Amino acid sequence: SQKIEQNSEALNIQEGKTATLTCNYTNYSPAYLQWYRQDPGRGPVFLLLIRENEKEKRKERLKVTFDTTLKQSLFHITASQPADSATYLCALENYGGSQGNLIFGKGTKLSVKP
Amino acid sequence: EAQVTQNPRYLITVTGKKLTVTCSQNMNHEYMSWYRQDPGLGLRQIYYSMNVEVTDKGDVPEGYKVSRKEKRNFPLILESPSPNQTSLYFCASSLKGTSGLQYFGAGTRLSVL
Repeated sequence: SQKIEQNSEALNIQEGKTATLTCNYTNYSPAYLQWYRQDPGRGPVFLLLIRENEKEKRKERLKVTFDTTLKQSLFHITASQPADSATYLCALENYGGSQGNLIFGKGTKLSVKP
Repeated sequence: EAQVTQNPRYLITVTGKKLTVTCSQNMNHEYMSWYRQDPGLGLRQIYYSMNVEVTDKGDVPEGYKVSRKEKRNFPLILESPSPNQTSLYFCASSLKGTSGLQYFGAGTRLSVL
C-alpha cells in the first residue's frame, strides 16, 4: 500500500521569507494530492489540490508543485506571516488499498516568527 | 452555512460503556469518513462511506463500527471502548470521494478511563 511522508516535523522561519514544505510518497503515483492546514484542536481545512498532469498550482501566496518522477510534492508559502503558523498536512488516496481510503502525512508544524 | 457537525465535542467515559459519536453534514455529500488523530501518528482513517448503505474499513477499524442509513449522517460507534481509543476524532465529508476536497468537523475529544 501507499506510504506518505512529510520530511520535517517542524519548520521555523522568519516573517517575510518563503516556507517550503515537502511531501513524499512511495509506490503508486496518485492521480492527485491535497494539502490541508490544521490549527491546534481544530479540524483540517482544505487548501489546494493538484492533479498528476499539473506541474504547479497557485492560490494567492500558496504554490504547490507535483513531481511524479521524484514522487514528491512541494508546498510553498511566499511572504510568510505569523498568521501562517499552523500544521500543514498532505493527503492522497491509498492506491493498493480500497477506493475511498485517504491517507494523510503526519504534518509539518510551521512557525513564522515576527 | 455548509458544515460538518460532530457531537459531542468532548466526552469522558469508562472502559466498556458503549458510546456513539454523531456526525452530520448539510452539503448533500456522498462520501463521509472518520479519522482519529494521535500525537506522533497523525490522522488515520477509521472507516469511510462512499454512499448510503456503503461502508468500508480504513486503516484502523478495530474496535469501531459505523452505519450510513441516511446520506447526511454517519455515526461512529464504540461498542466497548478501551483506553487505547482515547483520541481526537474527526468526521469529514466530500462531494467527490477522496478526489474532492474534504470538509472536516470540529472534532470530538474522547477520553476512556
